[in-house]
Amino acid sequence: QVQLQQSGPGLVKPSQTLSLTCAISGDSVSSKSASWNWIRQSPSRGLEWLGRTYYRSKWHNDYAVSVKSRISIKPDTSKNQFSLQLNSVTPEDTAVYYCTNLDGPWGQGTLVTVSS
Amino acid sequence: QSVLTQPPSASGTPGQRVTISCSGSTSNIGRNTVNWLQQLPGTAPKLLIYSNNQRPSGVPDRFSGSKSGTSASLAISGLQSEDEADYYCAAWDDILIGWLFGGGTKLTVL
Repeated sequence: QVQLQQSGPGLVKPSQTLSLTCAISGDSVSSKSASWNWIRQSPSRGLEWLGRTYYRSKWHNDYAVSVKSRISIKPDTSKNQFSLQLNSVTPEDTAVYYCTNLDGPWGQGTLVTVSS
Repeated sequence: QSVLTQPPSASGTPGQRVTISCSGSTSNIGRNTVNWLQQLPGTAPKLLIYSNNQRPSGVPDRFSGSKSGTSASLAISGLQSEDEADYYCAAWDDILIGWLFGGGTKLTVL
């Protein structure tokens, strides 16, 4: 049974970097059939896909156009986890952030507030 | 504004059958499979249906999904009070190169 456990700070200052990690159990971040996604949810934007990383003989990334210039999603095979970094955050980035493979379970969610 | 269109609300009485629609386009639902998510108040979304009509282990067979052309539907039969939740459709979009979500349908059990 796949489980995802998120970690990271819940408060980030404007212009700084939002960093979250998603630890995977019951599957591998290097799985050749799964992709590992970050999604956020806010009242104004609903559910918004941010991006993904996946392994198919080599590592690939796809990012949403809305955040493409600010986002990085990276796998960590040594810890079987993947991370999200979102740079230059503004209050509009305030949301609950989730990790998921979308064909399975979701992480528990992390409320990230961007405020000074 | 979501690219996948769902009705904002739906309702039914216990035991009834309700359906929730999700309308997209050729670049998403028309070419790719649809997932449905259930979000109970204050919790993370949970996968309810994947690949249009497949139920993950543990999801009751009261929940079923279907797809036709650029639209999909979620049906819930034998409605129960614990089904009261927000329901979202999701599909990959080949033009945007990303996942899209519907705006969500709030299901009320009367």
